[in-house]
Amino acid sequence: GESVGLHLPTLSVQEGDNSIINCAYSNSASDYFIWYKQESGKGPQFIIDIRSNMDKRQGQRVTVLLNKTVKHLSLQIAATQPGDSAVYFCAVEDRTGNQFYFGTGTSLTVIP
Amino acid sequence: DTAVSQTPKYLVTQMGNDKSIKCEQNLGHDTMYWYKQDSKKFLKIMFSYNNKELIINETVPNRFSPKSPDKAHLNLHINSLELGDSAVYFCASSRGLAGANTGELFFGEGSRLTVL
Repeated sequence: GESVGLHLPTLSVQEGDNSIINCAYSNSASDYFIWYKQESGKGPQFIIDIRSNMDKRQGQRVTVLLNKTVKHLSLQIAATQPGDSAVYFCAVEDRTGNQFYFGTGTSLTVIP
Repeated sequence: DTAVSQTPKYLVTQMGNDKSIKCEQNLGHDTMYWYKQDSKKFLKIMFSYNNKELIINETVPNRFSPKSPDKAHLNLHINSLELGDSAVYFCASSRGLAGANTGELFFGEGSRLTVL
């Protein structure tokens, strides 16, 4: 199976600062990775994804970095805003198991 | 229009009762899932169905029985509810089976089950 972990369960940042959320995975054969954002009382929402043939992918204010050598994934949020406060999950696709494994989640709090 | 909708959003019931949660997706996806999120926010897969066929059954007690009448619906029935069943249950869908290069999961808003 897959083991997915996050380095920090909680993260507090000042509004306007950049945020970095990390994720480690164990299966070197994994080739598709997703970051989800879950706001209070809602379901996880897709933020950005990346495939293993890439090291970096950028969206609007978000960047995902993938280091396959050390099996590490990170989400960078630029100019963090109060609306970014949520729990963030990494999800790793398990091809053989036909499922996604989710990390334990990092709770991001943005301080105004 | 809500892509993945599940009902009810909240469910409070007594131990020993039987309850159902319904899920529907209007995305035309072939694969649907049930995930359980515990109080620590950990998301764990319970079941997945692809075109009404059961694909994953992750060591879930047989008190939990999924039913997929068609590929747009995946319902979850729970018999003899226990205190430990209290959680938020999320339905999700994807274009195809995870691992088949079919993209991400789309989640419903969740159904919070409280067993007293």
